[in-house]
Amino acid sequence: QVQLVQSGAEVKKPGASVKVSCKASGYTFTSYGISWVRQAPGQGLEWMGWISAYNGNTNYAQKLQGRVTMTTDTSTSTAYMELRSLRSDDTAVYYCARSVAIDYWGQGTLVTVSS
Amino acid sequence: QSVLTQPPSASGTPGQRVTISCSGSSSNIGSNYVYWYQQLPGTAPKLLIYRNNQRPSGVPDRFSGSKSGTSASLAISGLRSEDEADYYCAAWDDSHWVFGGGTKLTVL
Repeated sequence: QVQLVQSGAEVKKPGASVKVSCKASGYTFTSYGISWVRQAPGQGLEWMGWISAYNGNTNYAQKLQGRVTMTTDTSTSTAYMELRSLRSDDTAVYYCARSVAIDYWGQGTLVTVSS
Repeated sequence: QSVLTQPPSASGTPGQRVTISCSGSSSNIGSNYVYWYQQLPGTAPKLLIYRNNQRPSGVPDRFSGSKSGTSASLAISGLRSEDEADYYCAAWDDSHWVFGGGTKLTVL
């Protein structure tokens, strides 16, 4: 069965960076992409971007351009999302999800940005 | 402000039929498929409906989706207490995904 297992919760100070991992199993990793979606406390879902696990092509949400980098390691079927220059409003649960159509989701990683 | 517009809340009693609307534009719902997700408290979203009206295996046929023009709807018949959750619509828009703001469904 398709599974996406994410890394654990993080606490970061403003201005720092965070890197969240997402290990996929149960399907051919390179046949799909990975989208990243975040959810601030008590808020809705926000798409952050997408990476092709086949060729590494990326497509980032305009508001995060320059602060986010998505990568994959096909040898371990793992996707990564790095967000830099963290601010308090980046506090959220970050999800990875199998894409083109967003179907299977990881369990989420809480990133807290606080001084 | 979400690109897709959903009512913030909906409610119904057990056994009732409820619908949740999702309004968009020609660049998203009007020209692409609509997806619906269910998010139970404290859990990740789960795909409920894909390609406007298709159910993944394991999703009860009490859940159905439809689309007309630039709007879509999710219907839940035979409402059950375990349906109490947040529901989100989503669609592709030009070069990115957009979501609705979510609808909190309360089973009275």
